Amino acid sequence: GESVGLHLPTLSVQEGDNSIINCAYSNSASDYFIWYKQESGKGPQFIIDIRSNMDKRQGQRVTVLLNKTVKHLSLQIAATQPGDSAVYFCAESALIGGAQKLVFGQGTRLTINP
Amino acid sequence: EPEVTQTPSHQVTQMGQEVILRCVPISNHLYFYWYRQILGQKVEFLVSFYNNEISEKSEIFDDQFSVERPDGSNFTLKIRSTKLEDSAMYFCASGNRAKKEKLFFGSGTQLSVL
Repeated sequence: GESVGLHLPTLSVQEGDNSIINCAYSNSASDYFIWYKQESGKGPQFIIDIRSNMDKRQGQRVTVLLNKTVKHLSLQIAATQPGDSAVYFCAESALIGGAQKLVFGQGTRLTINP
Repeated sequence: EPEVTQTPSHQVTQMGQEVILRCVPISNHLYFYWYRQILGQKVEFLVSFYNNEISEKSEIFDDQFSVERPDGSNFTLKIRSTKLEDSAMYFCASGNRAKKEKLFFGSGTQLSVL
């Protein structure tokens, strides 16, 4: 069945360091993935997405890597800041019934230490 | 930047009571969604809605749940007879196309069933 999961539930890094958050997915037919950030008491906030015809995509301080061979996604955050502390979810997209359905992973809590 | 708004932010109800959660999607969006997140768990898909009808629903979305777009701006989720296990954060999301693109999420309604 389809599932999206994360390797580590928590991650602590020092402010200014780079962080890498990992995600595994099981549906080899998936072709679109999104990373969301969720701060306490708020809804998921879009960070970056990637389609399966790419293996890397860069945004501002963030990079997503996609390895279709091993069905693995990662989110790299460069020069982490206190505001990066949040739970990060990867999500796998499917079109069902004419609309999009996101399957979220469990989430990784990123803590930035001063 | 346009955003999805949800009201109320918190809702406390007694078991067996009806609740209506309200959402105002982004104005030019055509696809609407409800997701929920039980405390400490991942975000789960409930239902997608397009052209005034449900496109897809999950197993969670049983006969006690219904959605409606009563006018041109609101999108509601009704739970007819709440159960303790309905306690969760409910997120509304919207998108402007069926194709795989990012969805925009609201800040959520925290529903507590006592």
